Amino acid sequence: SQTIHQWPATLVQPVGSPLSLECTVEGTSNPNLYWYRQAAGRGLQLLFYSVGIGQISSEVPQNLSASRPQDRQFILSSKKLLLSDSGFYLCAWSDTGEGGYTFGSGTRLTVV
Amino acid sequence: KNQVEQSPQSLIILEGKNCTLQCNYTVSPFSNLRWYKQDTGRGPVSLTIMTFSENTKSNGRYTATLDADTKQSSLHITASQLSDSASYICVVRPLSGNYQLIWGAGTKLIIKP
Repeated sequence: SQTIHQWPATLVQPVGSPLSLECTVEGTSNPNLYWYRQAAGRGLQLLFYSVGIGQISSEVPQNLSASRPQDRQFILSSKKLLLSDSGFYLCAWSDTGEGGYTFGSGTRLTVV
Repeated sequence: KNQVEQSPQSLIILEGKNCTLQCNYTVSPFSNLRWYKQDTGRGPVSLTIMTFSENTKSNGRYTATLDADTKQSSLHITASQLSDSASYICVVRPLSGNYQLIWGAGTKLIIKP
């Protein structure tokens, strides 16, 4: 069966520090991978998606970047965090764009 | 502009009661409409996916309906349980474009014993 792992679960980082969140998927090949951010009381916002190794599409210009070094690994990064980067970050995968998405358990990031 | 609006924002009901959550959307044309359940501090979990040609889909005590003419969907929960306490999110996938999904802000449901 397919599983998705996302870590860490919570993170408190000072302004200006770097960020690296990792997501891995097991039990499937060539998945579509997504990074979302959820602000309190708001809908999920798509940050990045990837349809293959090294292929990254950015939906919202911002202080973040993403990479897909391996087929089932998706990394969200920042060189210098801003206060506005605080939020709940979710990784997800799908077989195709039409099908359901399976989400990881999320990372609560607080920038102080 | 593609939008998904959900109502009510929050709802409190007693255990065992039924409830209906509403979703209005302006996304057109669209490929499918999804309902997700999100427990606090967790990732969303898919409940139903309906294509534009489907009118209803059930998943246990959850029944989703879709009226593509009025651009409305509802999620009906029968015989609520304490574990149903969560946010319920309506999501619409546009027919064209990239992998963008249009997410509602969710309805926060609280089940009281």
